[in-house]
Amino acid sequence: AQRVTQPEKLLSVFKGAPVELKCNYSYSGSPELFWYVQYSRQRLQLLLRHISRESIKGFTADLNKGETSFHLKKPFAQEEDSAMYYCALSGRSGNTGKLIFGQGTTLQVKP
Amino acid sequence: GAGVSQSPRYKVAKRGQDVALRCDPISGHVSLFWYQQALGQGPEFLTYFQNEAQLDKSGLPSDRFFAERPEGSVSTLKIQRTQQEDSAVYLCASSQGAQPQHFGDGTRLSIL
Repeated sequence: AQRVTQPEKLLSVFKGAPVELKCNYSYSGSPELFWYVQYSRQRLQLLLRHISRESIKGFTADLNKGETSFHLKKPFAQEEDSAMYYCALSGRSGNTGKLIFGQGTTLQVKP
Repeated sequence: GAGVSQSPRYKVAKRGQDVALRCDPISGHVSLFWYQQALGQGPEFLTYFQNEAQLDKSGLPSDRFFAERPEGSVSTLKIQRTQQEDSAVYLCASSQGAQPQHFGDGTRLSIL
């Protein structure tokens, strides 16, 4: 079964603390993994995708095929990082490109 | 336009009424997706279009849900005989080639 699991509904940290948002997936094949973010009163937007291997707004995520994980990390959280974060996967070959989302994690960065 | 546009932003309907939700994708984007997001959940795939062809409708929850994209641009998601469990945010996304999907603001549908 194709599934994305984000075990934490809420993650609360203080400004300047490290952040790790967990994401595990189940997929038979070679998926593409994404992190999407939704700031308050804004639309869902792409944060990063594993194939680009970029660092966006200080966030990074490494695909670990052995552990089937794609955790999102940032060494020093900022208050403006407070948002809802969704991990998602898409199949590659023979797939329409539809996204399978996790349930989302709310990140709350306290001053 | 600058991004994916959805209308209306909010829709309230009585149980049993039919509703139509519109999506205007980014100009030139071939692929168009509809997702349903229930409260406290992540978006769930409903259906996919490549130009005017509906290539995947495996996520539509019942035959009360119908989507179309007749000219390969604007798409409409129609829900007939609405029920309370249809209350959700309906998201539209578009993409081009292997590029990531761009999402609209969504339509929040409330069924009374």
